[in-house]
Amino acid sequence: EAGVAQSPRYKIIEKRQSVAFWCNPISGHATLYWYQQILGQGPKLLIQFQNNGVVDDSQLPKDRFSAERLKGVDSTLKIQPAKLEDSAVYLCASSLDGSNDRTDTQYFGPGTRLTVL
Amino acid sequence: GEDVEQSLFLSVREGDSSVINCTYTDSSSTYLYWYKQEPGAGLQLLTYIFSNMDMKQDQRLTVLLNKKDKHLSLRIADTQTGDSAIYFCAELSDNTDKLIFGTGTRLQVFP
Repeated sequence: EAGVAQSPRYKIIEKRQSVAFWCNPISGHATLYWYQQILGQGPKLLIQFQNNGVVDDSQLPKDRFSAERLKGVDSTLKIQPAKLEDSAVYLCASSLDGSNDRTDTQYFGPGTRLTVL
Repeated sequence: GEDVEQSLFLSVREGDSSVINCTYTDSSSTYLYWYKQEPGAGLQLLTYIFSNMDMKQDQRLTVLLNKKDKHLSLRIADTQTGDSAIYFCAELSDNTDKLIFGTGTRLQVFP
């Protein structure tokens, strides 16, 4: 079974530039998550999708971050414009159905390491 | 709010046992998890424990939960060099229905 795919693996940009990350979840997984992991910290949830609808985006800085999952499969996360403090690893995860089953395992992709100069 | 804390580093000799500790604050958490993150890789779920359990064993892994003290530990028996990684404790908050991760403990295994 293929895992969660993410691209690019690494990205270096200058502040005020824009960047986009892509995630392809495990086939058949309804729930998709984007996490931000700052160096030395645990992942922090940015946004959760159930199919193509947003379940939780309370911790997404909406003035500069946006995410979409138009067809309920792949997802993109965009930062525009980027700030120095956005340097982090952006992890995508998916699960079969995150709505009811508390043991619904989240499978993580390898992440995209973003460096903002 | 929810807060999950872990010690930053642990160094053990190959073949010894490792014990990684975690404390959390949300008493309504129903599930607690341990994830492993190897360099350049995503997080891999190792094991989880339901809050009404005290202990769970899975091969070389033993999870102990002290709900009164809100303390969780992961014991790895016969630690191998391949166990070197960062280990994250996470709680599933009943209040927010979100996974809250700790800061991670870097385990280094030396021969």
